[in-house]
Amino acid sequence: DTAVSQTPKYLVTQMGNDKSIKCEQNLGHDTMYWYKQDSKKFLKIMFSYNNKELIINETVPNRFSPKSPDKAHLNLHINSLELGDSAVYFCASSQGNSVQHFGDGTRLSIL
Amino acid sequence: AQRVTQPEKLLSVFKGAPVELKCNYSYSGSPELFWYVQYSRQRLQLLLRHISRESIKGFTADLNKGETSFHLKKPFAQEEDSAMYYCALSVAYNTDKLIFGTGTRLQVFP
Repeated sequence: DTAVSQTPKYLVTQMGNDKSIKCEQNLGHDTMYWYKQDSKKFLKIMFSYNNKELIINETVPNRFSPKSPDKAHLNLHINSLELGDSAVYFCASSQGNSVQHFGDGTRLSIL
Repeated sequence: AQRVTQPEKLLSVFKGAPVELKCNYSYSGSPELFWYVQYSRQRLQLLLRHISRESIKGFTADLNKGETSFHLKKPFAQEEDSAMYYCALSVAYNTDKLIFGTGTRLQVFP
């Protein structure tokens, strides 16, 4: 299946922990993104990478660190998790024409 | 600053009724507008984009530059249309960045 896949689908953890979410796309796209969808369903871009280079970095706490080992992968590492980090995190990819393809989302719950 | 406004958080209609989900944008250049849909517990997916000028699942949207609007319309709503709908704007100088509206939940009752 050609798609954007992210793991895990659900992540439940305690405040203060460090966690990572992985994203992979096999669509051959050059650009990948991370979005945060809060409890009110508001969707906001966090980061974007193009060919492993950071091109968009919205005002996100530096506890969030994206890493792109190659253009097919964009992982999101979060340090010292806080209650406010509870959300659904979506990965997406695109190839220069603005149409973005989204993953299924990772539902992060902080206890 | 670029902005997308969806004034309605929730729109409830009965099956067979017409639907219009409003979207207004703020951008001085040439915008590219999209509608994305998210069905319950599913991924966001593209519904339509203004440059395609096509109808998907009976939905259409026309870009009105004078009113800076891109409202989504369907003449007869179906129960399976119930979902979150997001209007999004792509700006010319950064073609891969999408600015999303806050979304409108459409509920279609039988």
